[in-house]
Amino acid sequence: AQKITQTQPGMFVQEKEAVTLDCTYDTSDPSYGLFWYKQPSSGEMIFLIYQGSYDQQNATEGRYSLNFQKARKSANLVISASQLGDSAMYFCAMREDTGNQFYFGTGTSLTVIP
Amino acid sequence: GAVVSQHPSWVICKSGTSVKIECRSLDFQATTMFWYRQFPKQSLMLMATSNEGSKATYEQGVEKDKFLINHASLTLSTLTVTSAHPEDSSFYICSARDLEEGLAIYNEQFFGPGTRLTVL
Repeated sequence: AQKITQTQPGMFVQEKEAVTLDCTYDTSDPSYGLFWYKQPSSGEMIFLIYQGSYDQQNATEGRYSLNFQKARKSANLVISASQLGDSAMYFCAMREDTGNQFYFGTGTSLTVIP
Repeated sequence: GAVVSQHPSWVICKSGTSVKIECRSLDFQATTMFWYRQFPKQSLMLMATSNEGSKATYEQGVEKDKFLINHASLTLSTLTVTSAHPEDSSFYICSARDLEEGLAIYNEQFFGPGTRLTVL
């Protein structure tokens, strides 16, 4: 079974609007971390936000927030007030406490329309 | 955040030659480094986990003799693509973890900027 599932290959959003990128995960480990990364066309992986499995509150970092629904095993990324520079690939990732490896989803290509 | 560099950022080589890619953690000690491969419009595929002073752990399907990994120090890991062929053309990304900071579960991976390999 896939550890991380991103069901949206591509998304479009109007500039200044909010957009939600979906991510579901699969683990039996009680302790794990969830990450979102942005990859622009240059290829570098840019860390956006982190959510721990025991965190009571949803993580927020500026315009990025993570809608963490533990029972549903979902960790959706919300980008508010989209900017043209937000156009990029976005990857959801997970690392289980018992392991060293990061599991990545297949990514979502976000295009911000002026 | 911590800085990881990769060199070269891009390389073009002839089929049959070997190419070495360096991954350096610039401001922290990385006991573990990871090597990923990414094809266009696809996700990152973990190739191997590199531990300082020991042999790398390769993922299933990754040829150890083809992709040689050396993690000689706490700040440097190298990936050598031996006898490269056009199908080895890809984007190779390394990452490193800083285990000195806090609990392991909170430690993100710090990614290098990647190396684009083109084999003619």
